[in-house]
Amino acid sequence: GNSVTQMEGPVTLSEEAFLTINCTYTATGYPSLFWYVQYPGEGLQLLLKATKADDKGSNKGFEATYRKETTSFHLEKGSVQVSDSAVYFCALTTTGNQFYFGTGTSLTVIP
Amino acid sequence: DTGVSQDPRHKITKRGQNVTFRCDPISEHNRLYWYRQTLGQGPEFLTYFQNEAQLEKSRLLSDRFSAERPKGSFSTLEIQRTEQGDSAMYLCASSLGGGRPEQYFGPGTRLTVT
Repeated sequence: GNSVTQMEGPVTLSEEAFLTINCTYTATGYPSLFWYVQYPGEGLQLLLKATKADDKGSNKGFEATYRKETTSFHLEKGSVQVSDSAVYFCALTTTGNQFYFGTGTSLTVIP
Repeated sequence: DTGVSQDPRHKITKRGQNVTFRCDPISEHNRLYWYRQTLGQGPEFLTYFQNEAQLEKSRLLSDRFSAERPKGSFSTLEIQRTEQGDSAMYLCASSLGGGRPEQYFGPGTRLTVT
């Protein structure tokens, strides 16, 4: 079946630190991969996506590369800010309809 | 582009009562989705519509749940005879479909069943 596994949180970093949030997946078929971010009290916002192997999605300084050989889509940012504090969700779809989400990783960035 | 909107944002109801939520998708999106999210978990798929047709339903969608999208625009999700286990955030999303699978989410409706 389809599933997404994210690294356990919460993650606490100092401002300007390097961020990695691990995401691995299992999929029947050829998935498209996504990262969503959820700020406190808000809905999920699409952060970035990649639709085929070796694609790199990027947005707002965040990047993730679709690695088919390791079935991974790790989220990275070179220098986090306090405003990046949120919950990050990795997700996949194989049909373009039903999305499968990980459990989310909470990030807190302290000044 | 006004985004996906949901109403109400919060609903408190007593066990056994019926509740109905509304979702208005992004206007040019023909696909609409409902998800449920409980605390500390990612969203779980419930159902999806293409235009007015309900094309897929999760086994999570028990007989007490029904969703409609009568004119292919807004959608409603009704829960009958609510139970405490129905307490969750109910999220709506929409997409263009085709080669654009990314889904855009509304702010959600938080349901508390007492």
